[in-house]
Amino acid sequence: QITLKESGPTLVKPTQTLTLTCTFSGFSLSTGGVAVGWIRQPPGKALQWLALIYWNGDKRYSPSLESRLAITQDTSKSQVVLTMTNMDPVDTATYYCARRLVTKYAFDIWGQGTMVTVSS
Amino acid sequence: DIQMTQSPSTLSASVGDRVTITCRASQSISSWLAWYQQKPGKAPKLLIYKASNLESGVPSRFSGSGSGTEFTLTISSLQPDDFATYYCQQFNNNLYTFGQGTKLEIK
Repeated sequence: QITLKESGPTLVKPTQTLTLTCTFSGFSLSTGGVAVGWIRQPPGKALQWLALIYWNGDKRYSPSLESRLAITQDTSKSQVVLTMTNMDPVDTATYYCARRLVTKYAFDIWGQGTMVTVSS
Repeated sequence: DIQMTQSPSTLSASVGDRVTITCRASQSISSWLAWYQQKPGKAPKLLIYKASNLESGVPSRFSGSGSGTEFTLTISSLQPDDFATYYCQQFNNNLYTFGQGTKLEIK
């Protein structure tokens, strides 16, 4: 069974750095063609892709947020970590991690999501 | 950046209806388009990938078509479980973009 689960703080203050962890099982990020991405969704709004890390360590970021994002992997722990700097109330959202396969170029398995509120 | 525009934003329909949702890309994306279904408080669920490929386990009443800049998601006969929000997503130059969503409501 393939699962992903997001974890991290539920509340951060403006200007702080957010660190989210995606812990997954049932697949390996060392397998060719596999990637893990982060997507967020502000309350009542659309999905927004943030970042992706590939099996070979390559990384891609949303151009509009690239300066604030960093994605890393800990293969031994089956985890992918996303950091976002200089948090603002507009970053309040549910943050999802999801698996992407090169055969589909789509996110086929998603975590349950974690809600992050940015407020002082 | 490639922009994805879905229409309509809201769609009212009845059980048994055939419905179509359209997604337009601001430039050609070949067939690199996926469709997702999302219900309130839940993560999105992949329905269609590469424009017309049905994800495993998804009912055959869902179908996708299109290439280039115009794509459609069709539900052949709406079931009560289908009332949800639908998103398209494109892949191009190693970047991803989602549409703004189409909310499918019960008439």
